[in-house]
Amino acid sequence: DVKVTQSSRYLVKRTGEKVFLECVQDMDHENMFWYRQDPGLGLRLIYFSYDVKMKEKGDIPEGYSVSREKKERFSLILESASTNQTSMYLCASSSGGLAGRNEQYFGPGTRLTVT
Amino acid sequence: KQEVTQIPAALSVPEGENLVLNCSFTDSAIYNLQWFRQDPGKGLTSLLLIQSSQREQTSGRLNASLDKSSGRSTLYIAASQPGDSATYLCAVSPIYNQGGKLIFGQGTELSVKP
Repeated sequence: DVKVTQSSRYLVKRTGEKVFLECVQDMDHENMFWYRQDPGLGLRLIYFSYDVKMKEKGDIPEGYSVSREKKERFSLILESASTNQTSMYLCASSSGGLAGRNEQYFGPGTRLTVT
Repeated sequence: KQEVTQIPAALSVPEGENLVLNCSFTDSAIYNLQWFRQDPGKGLTSLLLIQSSQREQTSGRLNASLDKSSGRSTLYIAASQPGDSATYLCAVSPIYNQGGKLIFGQGTELSVKP
């Protein structure tokens, strides 16, 4: 069965802290994605990766970075958390690499609050 | 720029009713369209994926259709149940996006009353 897991369901951090959100998939998928979801704005892509050590910016990369050292793991890093990064963060994966056009599978989400 | 719209934003129906959720997109150059379900505070669950060459897909009580030329998709739910209450999102994978990146609609919040 398809499985995408995220390290935390809920997280509370202070302004200025460095925050790591971890995502792991067990489907041997090439592609992994980080989205954030906000009321009224919907889901927006932050970054995606189509292979180990490869990354591409999405629509809203400012204030974020990512790391993909292993195929199954994709990390989202908030270098210095700010209150406007309070949001629901969703990780997803799919197969196919850059030419991929396959079904995306999502994790359970991490609700991050920055105070 | 591709835009995805879902109307209505919210829908309330009595249990047992058949219903249709609508999704429209502005650019027909897509690889596929995917329907998701999201329960409050949870992640997205994939329901159906329709490739651009397909007209419809079925899974149990769900049927999704795709009319690429008119930029429309519908999700038909037969014999609705209270457990179907959730937000339903559609998303398209534009041809100009590498890696299968998706563009999402805002969702339709469905409430099925017992």
